[in-house]
Amino acid sequence: GAGVSQSPSNKVTEKGKDVELRCDPISGHTALYWYRQSLGQGLEFLIYFQGNSAPDKSGLPSDRFSAERTGGSVSTLTIQRTQQEDSAVYLCASSRYPGELFFGEGSRLTVL
Amino acid sequence: KNEVEQSPQNLTAQEGEFITINCSYSVGISALHWLQQHPGGGIVSLFMLSSGKKKHGRLIATINIQEKHSSLHITASHPRDSAVYICAAGYGGATNKLIFGTGTLLAVQP
Repeated sequence: GAGVSQSPSNKVTEKGKDVELRCDPISGHTALYWYRQSLGQGLEFLIYFQGNSAPDKSGLPSDRFSAERTGGSVSTLTIQRTQQEDSAVYLCASSRYPGELFFGEGSRLTVL
Repeated sequence: KNEVEQSPQNLTAQEGEFITINCSYSVGISALHWLQQHPGGGIVSLFMLSSGKKKHGRLIATINIQEKHSSLHITASHPRDSAVYICAAGYGGATNKLIFGTGTLLAVQP
């Protein structure tokens, strides 16, 4: 597609459930980033993938969060045993490396 | 501690006014980003710069590496410029591993 695609756009889940958020980056972009936007914390970096290098996971808030990128393209962010403080908009972005960022519309996660 | 500070937090302007939003950061960076987010909307990258000045239409971004400071200017502001403007610093050798400012909410009144 022409832009960064994220799914689902909205997800409501119960505390303790696992969720998966998907990101399909712009074709040809070697770098992929996950960020989180929440009312309490603003925008924060979570993880990034660059080509075949090991991902930089330094922004993940706990070991309940993990992400993978298959085939250098689609990425999945998984949150296990969700907590209410995980409620946020999860944003994916991609870029050439180095280069301008292109953001997806985000996945809004609500944990009840 | 890596920090990015923006000012002002809120800004109201009349249509046509020249607008400046400031951003300062505390450590060496690989790139400085200016982002725009309309209410209820997605985030759009306006500029990525590591030195000097960039211009796109009515928007101008400057950066002073020595002073660790960047500014975003909007000339001839228009109500459609009303949005949150976010400064973000790329660090750790990665241009897009970002620390974000808290944003400036701009309202341009007709």
